[in-house]
Amino acid sequence: EVQLVESGGGLVQPGRSLRLSCAASGFTFDDYAMHWVRQAPGKGLEWVSGISWNSGSIGYADSVKGRFTISRDNAKNSLYLQMNSLRAEDTALYYCAKAASSGYFFDYWGQGTLVTVSS
Amino acid sequence: DIVMTQTPLSLSVTPGQPASISCKSSQSLLHSDGKTYLYWYLQKPGQPPQLLIYEVSNRFSGVPDRFSGSGSGTDFTLKISRVEAEDVGVYYCMQSIQLFTFGPGTKVDIK
Repeated sequence: EVQLVESGGGLVQPGRSLRLSCAASGFTFDDYAMHWVRQAPGKGLEWVSGISWNSGSIGYADSVKGRFTISRDNAKNSLYLQMNSLRAEDTALYYCAKAASSGYFFDYWGQGTLVTVSS
Repeated sequence: DIVMTQTPLSLSVTPGQPASISCKSSQSLLHSDGKTYLYWYLQKPGQPPQLLIYEVSNRFSGVPDRFSGSGSGTDFTLKISRVEAEDVGVYYCMQSIQLFTFGPGTKVDIK
């Protein structure tokens, strides 16, 4: 059974940093691309960032480019999101999502970790 | 950037009745490889999104056959042949021909 468990969320002041983690199990982690998708309270879904199986290809939404960094450790079956210069508009539930083998969609999602940016 | 729109934004359905959601993209989602990169997700209350349909019309593993997807180019439809109580939630379409963009969501509830 595919399991994705996010952690690292919390309350942080504007301008500060936070690092999210996603622990994966139930599949061969280093065979698949992985993504972060967020959902602001009461709002819709926004893709944040994605990383290929070997970290050779990485992409970011314009809203986070230059502030967020995605990475992965295949030896630890883990995905990360380093978030710097946080803003109030980054407040959201952050989901870790596994890409399907085609790479073009997300077939499994974690339960999410909540990030609140507020002074 | 590709913009996704959905109609209606909310839908109240009597159990056993059909429901239909429309999704339109600002650009064609037909790739040169012949595939169309349009997907449907359902987010039930308090849960993460779950995949229903991939590449316009293919049901994901375990998805009941009352769900069906159709469309081409820029116009797509998700149909539920007979709505059940467990189908309540927000339905999102998503494109992935150019990064990933979701529609605003259609909230479905039961009358």
